[in-house]
Amino acid sequence: DQQVKQNSPSLSVQEGRISILNCDYTNSMFDYFLWYKKYPAEGPTFLISISSIKDKNEDGRFTVFLNKSAKHLSLHIVPSQPGDSAVYFCAASAGPGSSNTGKLIFGQGTTLQVKP
Amino acid sequence: NAGVMQNPRHLVRRRGQEARLRCSPMKGHSHVYWYRQLPEEGLKFMVYLQKENIIDESGMPKERFSAEFPKEGPSILRIQQVVRGDSAAYFCASSAWNEQFFGPGTRLTVL
Repeated sequence: DQQVKQNSPSLSVQEGRISILNCDYTNSMFDYFLWYKKYPAEGPTFLISISSIKDKNEDGRFTVFLNKSAKHLSLHIVPSQPGDSAVYFCAASAGPGSSNTGKLIFGQGTTLQVKP
Repeated sequence: NAGVMQNPRHLVRRRGQEARLRCSPMKGHSHVYWYRQLPEEGLKFMVYLQKENIIDESGMPKERFSAEFPKEGPSILRIQQVVRGDSAAYFCASSAWNEQFFGPGTRLTVL
């Protein structure tokens, strides 16, 4: 049962344009969402997060949008740079009081390629 | 301020041997999580520990796998009698609150 889904395995964009990575979830208990970036042979690097009490969080070139009614979140990168080329993972967790104990549930990842 | 440390980075074992993976959390972090990434898949939660306590082991295989986080020293993920299907990247993460910070991983290859 895949509770967090990233339906696009790959995405290719031109340098300077916007990259939009999407993520859907099914568990309504999730109340905290994170995006990680991963290069080959390295661990995931935390990028940005959002709590379910918000619908938008911005940090520099990265913005995460959360649509709770649709159980959908997206990561926008603008402008995209070649160094952004990596695998991006969406992750979700449920807060204290649920059975998830803070563990992260990851999507399958989307490989982003930014072309110069 | 050192990040999450994992060693070894690469580990090769023959079928039936034991594998021990170590993780030192970031300074000030008391929560440790282990995840496994199989080829072409996302990361899957295995176990969540605090000092001397296993809080959630719902993702751990029922046999051969164990984890500990002693009062002193690193967290250890132990795999007994490894099989080829155990070949994967094993990542440790630590947190103080919500954001989990990951180590570089240990790549286990079972021959």
